[in-house]
Amino acid sequence: NAGVTQTPKFQVLKTGQSMTLQCAQDMNHEYMSWYRQDPGMGLRLIHYSVGAGITDQGEVPNGYNVSRSTTEDFPLRLLSAAPSQTSVYFCASSRGTSSGNTIYFGEGSWLTVV
Amino acid sequence: RKEVEQDPGPFNVPEGATVAFNCTYSNSASQSFFWYRQDCRKEPKLLMSVYSSGNEDGRFTAQLNRASQYISLLIRDSKLSDSATYLCVVTESGSARQLTFGSGTQLTVLP
Repeated sequence: NAGVTQTPKFQVLKTGQSMTLQCAQDMNHEYMSWYRQDPGMGLRLIHYSVGAGITDQGEVPNGYNVSRSTTEDFPLRLLSAAPSQTSVYFCASSRGTSSGNTIYFGEGSWLTVV
Repeated sequence: RKEVEQDPGPFNVPEGATVAFNCTYSNSASQSFFWYRQDCRKEPKLLMSVYSSGNEDGRFTAQLNRASQYISLLIRDSKLSDSATYLCVVTESGSARQLTFGSGTQLTVLP
């Protein structure tokens, strides 16, 4: 029972490099999202998707792109990494967009930009 | 002012103690409330939803005070395994995309 799978778990990037954080879920969930978590702050929503082919911006979208070509996958792309993007990233999914649906998080990706 | 505020702690309590956390929210239109648990270097997991009438799940009791705009989590008979960070989560609408997370309260239960 995989749930939400994120890769890589750890990554070090140089400023200006690009990379993609992968996220996949096997629960046939409509709603997927990406959050970042920084010390002393709550999780902040970067981008989200309510279904294949549909994406939208969250609270802190700058510097990130997403796509949702399939129900299962929701990759997060860092276009030109900056030290301010050093953070822990969590992918999440839920059956629907209602907050009453349990949100399942991936195990997180620790990203350091030097 | 943060939309959702929590005392960061840490709360260090002996095993068997009762401990309570409060969380205040600034948006009076908030509708749904949750407590998540996050272990060190792990992902958050839903602990319980918080209902207007208050709700209990074993040793855990959650309560909502709309007038004062806070929610609380009470843990009775603390176990070592309760050591974690507890995140307060609030949403204005019923939408998952509008969840606002508190920064968490750290609990350590000591033997």
